[in-house]
Amino acid sequence: SQTIHQWPATLVQPVGSPLSLECTVEGTSNPNLYWYRQAAGRGLQLLFYSVGIGQISSEVPQNLSASRPQDRQFILSSKKLLLSDSGFYLCARLASGNEQFFGPGTRLTVL
Amino acid sequence: QKEVEQNSGPLSVPEGAIASLNCTYSDRGSQSFFWYRQYSGKSPELIMSIYSNGDKEDGRFTAQLNKASQYVSLLIRDSQPSDSATYLCAPALYGNKLVFGAGTILRVKS
Repeated sequence: SQTIHQWPATLVQPVGSPLSLECTVEGTSNPNLYWYRQAAGRGLQLLFYSVGIGQISSEVPQNLSASRPQDRQFILSSKKLLLSDSGFYLCARLASGNEQFFGPGTRLTVL
Repeated sequence: QKEVEQNSGPLSVPEGAIASLNCTYSDRGSQSFFWYRQYSGKSPELIMSIYSNGDKEDGRFTAQLNKASQYVSLLIRDSQPSDSATYLCAPALYGNKLVFGAGTILRVKS
């Protein structure tokens, strides 16, 4: 089966601190991967997507960056967190019918 | 006009009733349409996909698509309290990019 892992599950960070969120996928090779953010009570905002190692597309200008160092690993980073970076971060993979399946998410609180 | 519009709700229905959730989208070229269910604090879960005009049934769920009207809906028959969640409409716009609506909150009262 194809499984998406996200780490950590929850994170509380001070403003100005760095960030690294990890997404790993099992059971499939070279998947298209996506990072979304969901602010409290809001819809999902696409942040980045990747079609392969080293290939990153950014959807919106922001304080975040993404990397794909390995086929099944997708990382979301920031050098200095802002209060507005708080939210629920979701990693997703693209399936054959154009649908996306989500990992369990990381809840980030910036204080 | 937003790319994907959903009534935010909450939509309240009694247990056993039919819940009807609606969504409109902006891109006439969209070919793939998805409904996700999201429980509070959890990640979205795919419950229905539809690609052709008409109805698609899966258990208690029926998705309806009308591309000419740029409208997609989800019917939930025999609603249960466990169906209480936020339902996200996600058409694939501009190719294969999913754009999510803000979601409709459904409350099923026992």
